[in-house]
Amino acid sequence: AQKITQTQPGMFVQEKEAVTLDCTYDTSDPSYGLFWYKQPSSGEMIFLIYQGSYDQQNATEGRYSLNFQKARKSANLVISASQLGDSAMYFCAMREELTGGGNKLTFGTGTQLKVEL
Amino acid sequence: ETGVTQSPTHLIKTRGQQVTLRCSSQSGHNTVSWYQQALGQGPQFIFQYYREEENGRGNFPPRFSGLQFPNYSSELNVNALELDDSALYLCASSLAGALYGYTFGSGTRLTVV
Repeated sequence: AQKITQTQPGMFVQEKEAVTLDCTYDTSDPSYGLFWYKQPSSGEMIFLIYQGSYDQQNATEGRYSLNFQKARKSANLVISASQLGDSAMYFCAMREELTGGGNKLTFGTGTQLKVEL
Repeated sequence: ETGVTQSPTHLIKTRGQQVTLRCSSQSGHNTVSWYQQALGQGPQFIFQYYREEENGRGNFPPRFSGLQFPNYSSELNVNALELDDSALYLCASSLAGALYGYTFGSGTRLTVV
């Protein structure tokens, strides 16, 4: 079974600074996808960035980049120039194909990020 | 394009009762997945529906059941509610075969007393 590990329950960062949120994963599938989601207090899971296991380059989306180190099985999220609105819970997730033809996301336990003035 | 809509937003039920949660998928999506998120935890996969049939299920008992309708909307039904069923229930829609592109709703917060 796949597993996602996020070892930072909480992180603080100063506004305008960069922050790295850690994520390691475990899977025996050669093909997989890794995701980062942001969950504000409202509850909605907001998609940030995606990295496919065969992608040669690290994914980037605006201020978000994914530091993908396949050999180390890590997929850290880097947020540059942090803003107060970035304060939220952040989840790393992996897509897993199911035997019935469907697929699911396996989530980590999340990292609560607080951006300070 | 419209996003994923879930109803109701909040719900309080008594232990032993039954509940139905609803989800309208994003326009163009044909697959719906349901997740349970307990307080302080990451979401846990309940099941997925495609073409009105369940095509994947997580580690949840049979009292958790679902439906998908021809317009791709979906329902999650939970029978014989237990206190531990108190959680945020998230619905996500996607397009079958796509590698990514899951769109989540804002969830239904269920409290069982």
